[in-house]
Amino acid sequence: DAGVTQSPTHLIKTRGQQVTLRCSPISGHKSVSWYQQVLGQGPQFIFQYYEKEERGRGNFPDRFSARQFPNYSSELNVNALLLGDSALYLCASSLAIPGQGDGEQYFGPGTRLTVT
Amino acid sequence: QKEVEQDPGPLSVPEGAIVSLNCTYSNSAFQYFMWYRQYSRKGPELLMYTYSSGNKEDGRFTAQVDKSSKYISLFIRDSQPSDSATYLCATLGNYGGATNKLIFGTGTLLAVQP
Repeated sequence: DAGVTQSPTHLIKTRGQQVTLRCSPISGHKSVSWYQQVLGQGPQFIFQYYEKEERGRGNFPDRFSARQFPNYSSELNVNALLLGDSALYLCASSLAIPGQGDGEQYFGPGTRLTVT
Repeated sequence: QKEVEQDPGPLSVPEGAIVSLNCTYSNSAFQYFMWYRQYSRKGPELLMYTYSSGNKEDGRFTAQVDKSSKYISLFIRDSQPSDSATYLCATLGNYGGATNKLIFGTGTLLAVQP
């Protein structure tokens, strides 16, 4: 079975531009979360979506937005890119319903975004 | 204070050694604890998933949770060069029942020397 897939693998953008990152969860998983991982740090939570609804947001500015589609795939959008947005963006999917106990989360390979 | 603290290393051991990786956490309400392995420029891979206190073993890996001291550990027996990676500890933050958010440590870089 396919795991979590993300596209593109790498991306280079200029400051001020906008970027869209895509994620397809494991088949049957309805919950998708996005994380930002800066070099040398652990991933930081950005968003969680379940059944097309936002169920949680981390401490990120409004330049970051996301959505989930009826097939449970998801997009992360970042506007007005800053140099500090350069990071590995990770998508994770889970079978669990948010807020109802445990939730093993499985990560995709990530999209490496470089802002110049 | 960070919610999850982890020594970033690097940690270098000879092949065959027993490796001990550790994290501390601040919130006694945390109940679920994970260890992820992350190879360079790859996504994190779930290694161990534990609930509450106690030990869990899977092959050469043992995860241990001590809730009284808010301490979580991962032991790797008979370490191999292929174990060389960054190991991330994480807990599950459940805020108001609305979301399950993974809270990670900074990761420990492990190098197993042949």
